[in-house]
Amino acid sequence: DTAVSQTPKYLVTQMGNDKSIKCEQNLGHDTMYWYKQDSKKFLKIMFSYNNKELIINETVPNRFSPKSPDKAHLNLHINSLELGDSAVYFCASSLGLEGNQPQHFGDGTRLSIL
Amino acid sequence: AQSVTQPDIHITVSEGASLELRCNYSYGATPYLFWYVQSPGQGLQLLLKYFSGDTLVQGIKGFEAEFKRSQSSFNLRKPSVHWSDAAEYFCAVGAGGGADGLTFGKGTHLIIQP
Repeated sequence: DTAVSQTPKYLVTQMGNDKSIKCEQNLGHDTMYWYKQDSKKFLKIMFSYNNKELIINETVPNRFSPKSPDKAHLNLHINSLELGDSAVYFCASSLGLEGNQPQHFGDGTRLSIL
Repeated sequence: AQSVTQPDIHITVSEGASLELRCNYSYGATPYLFWYVQSPGQGLQLLLKYFSGDTLVQGIKGFEAEFKRSQSSFNLRKPSVHWSDAAEYFCAVGAGGGADGLTFGKGTHLIIQP
C-alpha cells in the first residue's frame, strides 16, 4: 500500500493553463505539506496544513491554492501557469506539527510548462 | 531561522569503500535532524533521524549518522557502499514548532564507481 500518493506523476501543459495535483495519505496523519523541488534539486516548503487548516504559506504566489477536503487529502491547484512553475512538486505528511515528526513523501509530480 | 549546509554537491566513491556525507546546520535550539535519500524519479525516503539521547544513530540500509553539537554537524556514514546507494542525499532540520516544515540542504549527489 502506498502511504502518500500523488497524481498525476507527470504533467505537461502550456503557459497560462490551470492545473491541479492531488495528494492522498493513508497513514492517519494530521499534517500535510507541499514542497517544490527546482531544477537544481533544492527542496522548499510551500504550504503546511494541520487538520485541514492552513498553517504556513511561504511567500508562494496566490496563483497556488491548496485545498484540504479532509485530513487525508491535500490538493494543489495552480492558476495561470508560468514557465517558472516547472518543477517537481512533492506532497508529504507527518503525524503532527512537532518538529521531531518524520515526514513521509510521495513520489512527486513533475510539472513541465511549454 | 534554521539553515542546513551540505558542502559537497557531488561525491564519487568506489563500490565497497566507506562513505561520509557532510551536513552542518544552524539552529538556535536543539535541532531535530534527518537524512533522506532520493533515488531517480522517486520521492524522499527517510534514512534516519536524531532528536536527543545517543549521538550516534542507526538507520536503514546500513547507514548511521553522528550528531556533534560542538561542530553543528550531523554527518552520514556507511562502512561499505553498494551500487544501489547511488542517489541524492538530503540533510534536513525540523524546527521546534514543526509548522515550518523541514528545511533541507541542497543535497549531495552520490556516484558509485564499479
